Amino acid sequence: DTAVSQTPKYLVTQMGNDKSIKCEQNLGHDTMYWYKQDSKKFLKIMFSYNNKELIINETVPNRFSPKSPDKAHLNLHINSLELGDSAVYFCASSSQGRSNEQFFGPGTRLTVL
Amino acid sequence: GNSVTQMEGPVTLSEEAFLTINCTYTATGYPSLFWYVQYPGEGLQLLLKATKADDKGSNKGFEATYRKETTSFHLEKGSVQVSDSAVYFCALSDRGFKLVFGAGTILRVKS
Repeated sequence: DTAVSQTPKYLVTQMGNDKSIKCEQNLGHDTMYWYKQDSKKFLKIMFSYNNKELIINETVPNRFSPKSPDKAHLNLHINSLELGDSAVYFCASSSQGRSNEQFFGPGTRLTVL
Repeated sequence: GNSVTQMEGPVTLSEEAFLTINCTYTATGYPSLFWYVQYPGEGLQLLLKATKADDKGSNKGFEATYRKETTSFHLEKGSVQVSDSAVYFCALSDRGFKLVFGAGTILRVKS
């Protein structure tokens, strides 16, 4: 069974559109994350939620809005997509207090044309 | 702030060669240290970790030792295989919730 899953795996869209990426974890973790990986493979955290509460917001544009309906889900909605948003977005989860070992999803490759 | 510096790649080796990927960190306090691996087209997988000074993490023939005196966590493997070709990320976590990653090192192993 997949521990951390993301949908869709690939997303191709036009500039200016609004899109969402979904993430689910079945590990019973209480903390979830969104990371962005750019074309040079550099990984940077965007958001983190602990027990459905936002705890990290790393100066991400307001066009990005995470939503956590419950502890097992963390979705990412992006408004007015720009070319620079093209990247691979990874969801991850962890259990607080366990040395922050994070489990990653397979990634969503977003291409903005 | 916290940061991680990895050796730049790509690193190209022949099968059965010895691998070292250097990683140094800057952090306040005593972070946990990790190596993650990303195979082509996949997400990140935890390769090994160490949570305190002098701990050695090991997995699948890879090893790394948490060296507080040199603030390093170098990844080593005695004999690499073609299947080890991937991107390797060193990362740290302090008492907070986030991982801080190095830039990643591409490893290519030739048969």
